[in-house]
Amino acid sequence: DAGITQSPRHKVTETGTPVTLRCHQTENHRYMYWYRQDPGHGLRLIHYSYGVKDTDKGEVSDGYSVSRSKTEDFLLTLESATSSQTSVYFCAISETKPTGEGPQHFGDGTRLSIL
Amino acid sequence: QKEVEQNSGPLSVPEGAIASLNCTYSDRGSQSFFWYRQYSGKSPELIMFIYSNGDKEDGRFTAQLNKASQYVSLLIRDSQPSDSATYLCAVGANQAGTALIFGKGTTLSVSS
Repeated sequence: DAGITQSPRHKVTETGTPVTLRCHQTENHRYMYWYRQDPGHGLRLIHYSYGVKDTDKGEVSDGYSVSRSKTEDFLLTLESATSSQTSVYFCAISETKPTGEGPQHFGDGTRLSIL
Repeated sequence: QKEVEQNSGPLSVPEGAIASLNCTYSDRGSQSFFWYRQYSGKSPELIMFIYSNGDKEDGRFTAQLNKASQYVSLLIRDSQPSDSATYLCAVGANQAGTALIFGKGTTLSVSS
């Protein structure tokens, strides 16, 4: 299995509080991604990173920020959590392939509930 | 808007049968195609990837790609109850490092 660790695995918090989710990889892969998965919507990209301090927005980036200060760590922050951000969050990593994207490998996920 | 379409199912097959899962995509420039399996409450797990037109086999799994028809499929031979899961089709754009576009998944149920 790809060496990806997400923390925490479960979190319950209140509306308006800040929340930070961490993704740590031991594979030294260049690319890292944050997705959320909701019933009826499938997996949707929040933000991704293509190197240290290099990040870009995905499909559903509003209300989220990210940081990547080291190759191995990619943080997702909800500055002021809302109930609509209740979801399961997955981190994924991939390495470059000559033909384009290599496969992405996923962490175990964080189940976040905002009351 | 780039889209990946899958029939949500459930697709029900008896044990030992062939399960056929299908996926269509909208971006004609897509170059990489992936199938993930996701058990309930778990993370997506990569089972197959294919880059070229034709078939690619790995054990009981065969991925089929037809770029002209913008169609990719996954065949599971000798289906087992342990294959019961949601199968996600994912398509990559023609640019390294960009994220994949996922379909919403097809739920497969294999009955013993």
